[in-house]
Amino acid sequence: NAGVMQNPRHLVRRRGQEARLRCSPMKGHSHVYWYRQLPEEGLKFMVYLQKENIIDESGMPKERFSAEFPKEGPSILRIQQVVRGDSAAYFCASSPRVSGRSYEQYFGPGTRLTVT
Amino acid sequence: DQQVKQNSPSLSVQEGRISILNCDYTNSMFDYFLWYKKYPAEGPTFLISISSIKDKNEDGRFTVFLNKSAKHLSLHIVPSQPGDSAVYFCAASWGTGDQGGKLIFGQGTELSVKP
Repeated sequence: NAGVMQNPRHLVRRRGQEARLRCSPMKGHSHVYWYRQLPEEGLKFMVYLQKENIIDESGMPKERFSAEFPKEGPSILRIQQVVRGDSAAYFCASSPRVSGRSYEQYFGPGTRLTVT
Repeated sequence: DQQVKQNSPSLSVQEGRISILNCDYTNSMFDYFLWYKKYPAEGPTFLISISSIKDKNEDGRFTVFLNKSAKHLSLHIVPSQPGDSAVYFCAASWGTGDQGGKLIFGQGTELSVKP
């Protein structure tokens, strides 16, 4: 049973370009979460999605960031017009849903975004 | 506003001894707590969790204790092994229904187990 998959593992973008990060959840998991880890900090929640629905985007910056989880295919975190402060590790996690709430979340290996 | 705090950025322990990692939280709505282990350049790996209706959960060498009145939890690793050397994150969540489930992480504690 494959774990959470993220690609690319490393992504280099120049300021002003777009970054697209992909996440395929574990088989049987229908809930996806995105987290960001800035250097020397813990992980910060960004957004929680189910298929075709954004459930909680309270951690997403108001501008330039968007996320989707289409009916078919991976979840995508999109960052438009990247700036140096977007350089971070972006982690995706997935979980099953039991009795109305999620339990443990299982993380992918992360995408390390570097903005030059 | 740091709702989950790990006040020790690092901990060094001798192989075979007990490692105790601590975590404090401020939000009384949290009802589920988790510990993750993270190696450099990898994603966090789930270790063990505990619901707020319990005060202890054990899995092999790992035991998590929850003190709700003190809003404090700890992870005990016995015996510690060099392979346990990593950064450990405490995380908390709350809520039922579709709005619940996001994890709030502490800053992490780097554990070093010396042979």
